[in-house]
Amino acid sequence: GENVEQHPSTLSVQEGDSAVIKCTYSDSASNYFPWYKQELGKGPQLIIDIRSNVGEKKDQRIAVTLNKTAKHFSLHITETQPEDSAVYFCAARTGASYGKLTFGQGTILTVHP
Amino acid sequence: NAGVTQTPKFQVLKTGQSMTLQCAQDMNHNSMYWYRQDPGMGLRLIYYSASEGTTDKGEVPNGYNVSRLNKREFSLRLESAAPSQTSVYFCASSEAGDTQYFGPGTRLTVL
Repeated sequence: GENVEQHPSTLSVQEGDSAVIKCTYSDSASNYFPWYKQELGKGPQLIIDIRSNVGEKKDQRIAVTLNKTAKHFSLHITETQPEDSAVYFCAARTGASYGKLTFGQGTILTVHP
Repeated sequence: NAGVTQTPKFQVLKTGQSMTLQCAQDMNHNSMYWYRQDPGMGLRLIYYSASEGTTDKGEVPNGYNVSRLNKREFSLRLESAAPSQTSVYFCASSEAGDTQYFGPGTRLTVL
């Protein structure tokens, strides 16, 4: 089955800096890669996603890049703010898996004012 | 529009007790999922239901059963709880296997 590795497990940045979180996946048939943000005591919430026919996608301060050849994808957050502090999860879905997602282990992002 | 709701929010059980976690969604989604979240391990799929009337095992199904009661509701049952089932449980729903919307979670402790 699919295996997703996420790094780093913790990331600490100063407000205004950029943050990058990286994930690798094992199944070359995976075609959908969402990123979720989880705030303390809440359920994960989708912040951005990318499909295998696209190399990059941006939404304001957030961007995701995908390298299918290397089987890795990354989340980029620019101009970080204290409210970006949360746990971030990457995930991957293979084409015929009826929406089943395999998640990475999570990254705890702390943005210091 | 409440999205995905879960009950209870917190539960403490003794080893061997049984309980059912309830999940409901009001987005008319076909697919529903149950995950467990443990520190350092991300979210792991327990069971899922691609559509009303179907259920399938996920990555960690042992010790659990599910029921897709109707299109809105998907319950998770622990028949004989074990300390290893101490976790946070999340229900999610999606349409056509796309974006999954998560509930607020149930925090379960088994003593």
